[in-house]
Amino acid sequence: QKEVEQNSGPLSVPEGAIASLNCTYSDRVSQSFFWYRQYSGKSPELIMSIYSNGDKEDGRFTAQLNKASQYVSLLIRDSQPSDSATYLCAVTSGTYKYIFGTGTRLKVLA
Amino acid sequence: GAGVSQSPSNKVTEKGKDVELRCDPISGHTALYWYRQSLGQGLEFLIYFQGNSAPDKSGLPSDRFSAERTGGSVSTLTIQRTQQEDSAVYLCASSGGGALADTQYFGPGTRLTVL
Repeated sequence: QKEVEQNSGPLSVPEGAIASLNCTYSDRVSQSFFWYRQYSGKSPELIMSIYSNGDKEDGRFTAQLNKASQYVSLLIRDSQPSDSATYLCAVTSGTYKYIFGTGTRLKVLA
Repeated sequence: GAGVSQSPSNKVTEKGKDVELRCDPISGHTALYWYRQSLGQGLEFLIYFQGNSAPDKSGLPSDRFSAERTGGSVSTLTIQRTQQEDSAVYLCASSGGGALADTQYFGPGTRLTVL
């Protein structure tokens, strides 16, 4: 059973701090990794995708991938209350089928 | 259209009735997915369509669930004889398709409530 694990949270951080969200996956041949943000009552929207080991930065967001350790993380710098949402990690193994984690709920405290 | 659209946005039905949920993917996207998300849970894969290929139905939870995609575009998810445990948000997503994973874009979802 291929699995993607996330801590359900909530992860609470003060405004302006760095939020660190983690995800581990079980399938060693996983190739593509995605972070989605989902506001309450809304559908998921893509934040970042990453395919190679290392860091990928986009504005206040940085995705980090370590295939040897089978984890992918998302860092949010200068966290804002508007970042409060559930963050879903998704993994694919070179096929079309995404495996989603159950998500981590982030609360940014003003 | 500019994004994935779904209808209806909300559906309340009585146990035992059939329901149809519609998804209109992004124009030109060859891949279409259906997911189910129960309250506070992650996304459960239901079915995948890619062009004219046979769909991957491996995620459908029972034979009460079926889906079709006409003309490689609009898709309909049908749930027959609905049960209370079918209550969830049904999400549709589309992507450009291809052999490798591609970015999925989600519609707003249909919230199904079975009384």
